[in-house]
Amino acid sequence: GQQLNQSPQSMFIQEGEDVSMNCTSSSIFNTWLWYKQEPGEGPVLLIALYKAGELTSNGRLTAQFGITRKDSFLNISASIPSDVGIYFCAGPRGGTSYGKLTFGQGTILTVHP
Amino acid sequence: EAQVTQNPRYLITVTGKKLTVTCSQNMNHEYMSWYRQDPGLGLRQIYYSMNVEVTDKGDVPEGYKVSRKEKRNFPLILESPSPNQTSLYFCASSLNPGTFSPLHFGNGTRLTVT
Repeated sequence: GQQLNQSPQSMFIQEGEDVSMNCTSSSIFNTWLWYKQEPGEGPVLLIALYKAGELTSNGRLTAQFGITRKDSFLNISASIPSDVGIYFCAGPRGGTSYGKLTFGQGTILTVHP
Repeated sequence: EAQVTQNPRYLITVTGKKLTVTCSQNMNHEYMSWYRQDPGLGLRQIYYSMNVEVTDKGDVPEGYKVSRKEKRNFPLILESPSPNQTSLYFCASSLNPGTFSPLHFGNGTRLTVT
């Protein structure tokens, strides 16, 4: 089936640094979603992207929908300790329905104070 | 408080002993789904339901069953659990998948099958 490949798999950074991660697919997606999972909890939606080239921000987070529709990027500026967690990209398959939703493997972020 | 509630949070069982993980949402959401999370593999969809009495397979449905007899509940059933079903399971719901409403996840059920 369709797969989403996230990079990097893990990151160890110092507080205050900027973070960049990406998600790529061999297939076109019409929607890209970015979720964050904190320890012991379920994922929470951070940003949703609906159009190729779209750039959307949520506080210190910025995500972009790649022009080719086969990739997406998430940036975190001036990281803080509470940014720790697993970041997942996701996209619905089968047209515009959320029915079948594919997730990437996740990027584990560790922030050292 | 709007939430997705899974029970139990932790479960240890033996191979072959039928079990059910319950999932309930209080947001009147039409869409519900089950995922399993394994290290290095991310979240993989097991089953989903677009509405009452409508269910469909995700990517890894083998060994699992679901039912959606009422809108708020979407139990996950393992008729004969095996050790390869040891995993962290998440239930999620959204208002209406066609409107791209965000998924709300439960806090997970950690299942160990020995």
